[in-house]
Amino acid sequence: AQKVTQAQTEISVVEKEDVTLDCVYETRDTTYYLFWYKQPPSGELVFLIRRNSFDEQNEISGRYSWNFQKSTSSFNFTITASQVVDSAVYFCALSEAPMNRDDKIIFGKGTRLHILP
Amino acid sequence: DGGITQSPKYLFRKEGQNVTLSCEQNLNHDAMYWYRQDPGQGLRLIYYSQIVNDFQKGDIAEGYSVSREKKESFPLTVTSAQKNPTAFYLCASSILAEVTYEQYFGPGTRLTVT
Repeated sequence: AQKVTQAQTEISVVEKEDVTLDCVYETRDTTYYLFWYKQPPSGELVFLIRRNSFDEQNEISGRYSWNFQKSTSSFNFTITASQVVDSAVYFCALSEAPMNRDDKIIFGKGTRLHILP
Repeated sequence: DGGITQSPKYLFRKEGQNVTLSCEQNLNHDAMYWYRQDPGQGLRLIYYSQIVNDFQKGDIAEGYSVSREKKESFPLTVTSAQKNPTAFYLCASSILAEVTYEQYFGPGTRLTVT
């Protein structure tokens, strides 16, 4: 069965520090997709990245980077030189390749990140 | 600008009343979704629709109903049968009827039932 675990409920770091948000997933499929979303205080989820199971290359986008390791079923997210605007709840999500109309995306419970000035 | 609109942002209702939450998208997306978010919880899927006039139950559909008469619109009705309706409701859409594509979310509606 699909499952996404974000063990860190809440993290606080001082501005300019690096921070890593953990995501561990479980899936029965060899083909699947992983996502990260950001939910700022306004409430709207913002898509950050989508990665398929065949692409284990790390991704970097500005201060954001993602480390995908199939061997440990992890898809961790690192923010470098954090800023106060990075304060938000971050969700990791998993979707197995659609085999039928019942396939869905499963979200973790989220990690609330506080960046302290 | 293309996007998803949800109205209203805040909604208050008395217990026992049905209430309908609006969700409209102009992204020309095929699929639309409704999620419920409670404090400290992830998103839980209520209903989703992959094409017009068709929808499927998610994980927590009891006490909710939806319709998909137009591609752009996917309203959610919270009925009096829903035991704990107070929550934050998020609507989303994706470009094709496959969950492997990223979803785009609306700003949400915070429903309070007293």
